[in-house]
Amino acid sequence: KNQVEQSPQSLIILEGKNCTLQCNYTVSPFSNLRWYKQDTGRGPVSLTIMTFSENTKSNGRYTATLDADTKQSSLHITASQLSDSASYICVVSANSGNTPLVFGKGTRLSVIA
Amino acid sequence: KAGVTQTPRYLIKTRGQQVTLSCSPISGHRSVSWYQQTPGQGLQFLFEYFSETQRNKGNFPGRFSGRQFSNSRSEMNVSTLELGDSALYLCASSLWSSGRAYEQFFGPGTRLTVL
Repeated sequence: KNQVEQSPQSLIILEGKNCTLQCNYTVSPFSNLRWYKQDTGRGPVSLTIMTFSENTKSNGRYTATLDADTKQSSLHITASQLSDSASYICVVSANSGNTPLVFGKGTRLSVIA
Repeated sequence: KAGVTQTPRYLIKTRGQQVTLSCSPISGHRSVSWYQQTPGQGLQFLFEYFSETQRNKGNFPGRFSGRQFSNSRSEMNVSTLELGDSALYLCASSLWSSGRAYEQFFGPGTRLTVL
């Protein structure tokens, strides 16, 4: 069964600290993996898209890694800011293109002062 | 460039009714996808349209349907509403190719409550 598991479910960190969110998937065949940020009450916003051949991709203070052999990905947030408080969702596509997509349940990150 | 717009933003219906939600994609985007988001199940893929044709469909009952118009605007319809259909319905638009993944841009969603 195609699944995406994220950990931890929730996380609280102090402003300025770094954190790493994890994503494990069993989706096959694998096409691409995406990380989204979703603020409360808003639609998700794309952070990165990685294909099979990409190991690392950065978007400002966000760096995503992908290990296609172990089927794991991580999202590292550097020097966290209060505005990073959101849900971070890992999404894996089983076919080339946009769909079908398998979503993780997300990690709820709270950054506190 | 205007973002993805969805109407209405909030909707309250009763069981057994039907509902139609609308999505206007970013100008130039011809792919529109629909998703359901609930606290228990998270985000789930409903269907994707491109050039007025449904390209992919998720595992939802036939009560959920959609269509796309020649201007790329899309609607989704849910008939015979059930309490479990209460959710945030998100629309996303993107460029489309069968061979590559493009960034999807999401709208703010329509919050549907079924009483």
